[in-house]
Order: sequence, then C-alpha cells, then structure tokens
Amino acid sequence: DGGITQSPKYLFRKEGQNVTLSCEQNLNHDAMYWYRQDPGQGLRLIYYSQIVNDFQKGDIAEGYSVSREKKESFPLTVTSAQKNPTAFYLCASSPPGRVTEAFFGQGTRLTVV
Amino acid sequence: AQKITQTQPGMFVQEKEAVTLDCTYDTSDQSYGLFWYKQPSSGEMIFLIYQGSYDEQNATEGRYSLNFQKARKSANLVISASQLGDSAMYFCAMRGSDYKLSFGAGTTVTVRA
Repeated sequence: DGGITQSPKYLFRKEGQNVTLSCEQNLNHDAMYWYRQDPGQGLRLIYYSQIVNDFQKGDIAEGYSVSREKKESFPLTVTSAQKNPTAFYLCASSPPGRVTEAFFGQGTRLTVV
Repeated sequence: AQKITQTQPGMFVQEKEAVTLDCTYDTSDQSYGLFWYKQPSSGEMIFLIYQGSYDEQNATEGRYSLNFQKARKSANLVISASQLGDSAMYFCAMRGSDYKLSFGAGTTVTVRA
C-alpha cells in the first residue's frame, strides 16, 4: 500500500542527545514537510522540501536539521540545541501543485527526559 | 509571508445541528490553495476539503462545505448535521506559491448528544 511511514511511533531520549526521526513515502510525491505539534496546539512548520537536494526553513527551524538525499525520504534531526524538544512530530508529503492536499504520517511522539 | 488565523479555540454543537468554523488568511500570492483537516484524539490528520483561489464556486464534500470569501480572505468550514464522530480538532491550512503549507492554531469541536 502507498503511504507515509513515520518511525518509531514513540521515542524517548535523554536531554542533550541528538535524535533522528524517520519519514518515508512511497507515493512518488515531490514535496515533503515536517511539523511540530504541542498538546492542544496547532501544527508549526519546521522544514519543507519541494524537491530532492533542496529544502527550506519553516517557522521554527532553530534546533532542527533535515536532509533530502532521496525523493522517498526526509529525516528530521532534533539537535541538543532545541530547548524544548518534547512534542508530537508529523511528516507530510504532497504531489506537485498548489491544488493538491498533503498526506500525513501517523506521527512520532518524542519525549526527552 | 502567509498567516492563518482561527479565532475559535473551542466550540460546542448539538448533534444533528450545523457548525461553522472560522478561518481567515493573509497572503500576497494570487494563486493559493486552502485546506481543512480534521484531527481526532488519535492524532491522525484527515483531509476534508480543498478550495483554490481561482475557484468561483464554494467547495463541498458530503457534509462539509467551504464558505470562501476571497475579498475578505476568509475560508470558513461548515459542518452540517453534526455527528458524535465529528468531535475533533479542525485545522485550516494554506499553500502559497512557494509550496509552503501553513496551518492555523485549530478549533476543537465537541458534539453533544
């Protein structure tokens, strides 16, 4: 089945450690996105990529990094510079064009202790 | 820059009644897309409806309709004949010319029996 896979669903890390969240899609979509969601809040854009080997900062990129070496993959690294990394992280992808909706993964809930 | 504003943090609606969720946006783009998503307590993001900036007619999808007023930059979602399963958080989103997909803060809808 085609879709977006985020792994793992739950992730625990110690404070000060970098952690990488996985996002893979087999929908052949060009654009991919990473969002952060805090409890009861909206989705805030971290990074997005329109095409392989290119990505742009979103509204809250500080403390995060991404890569887009393959069309199917858009991993997000939460670095130790992110002051409050505990949150729900959602990855999305969409086909080209402004008229197409984005498809979301199931999310990764990151807890830093 | 683009901005999405949802001013209703939470709403209660009686089962079988209609509810309108407000969304206003700000963009300098002439061509853009507007989206509504539903997020149940499970955390998954469910696409509901889309409206293009050049679409002359308001979008409808089953019990969902989008009241698009371009001059006022508003894209309100109307849910008719509310059901208990409609209880969730609802997000308005916009994609502009740079493919950036931004979300509002969301509105929590609670349907009462």
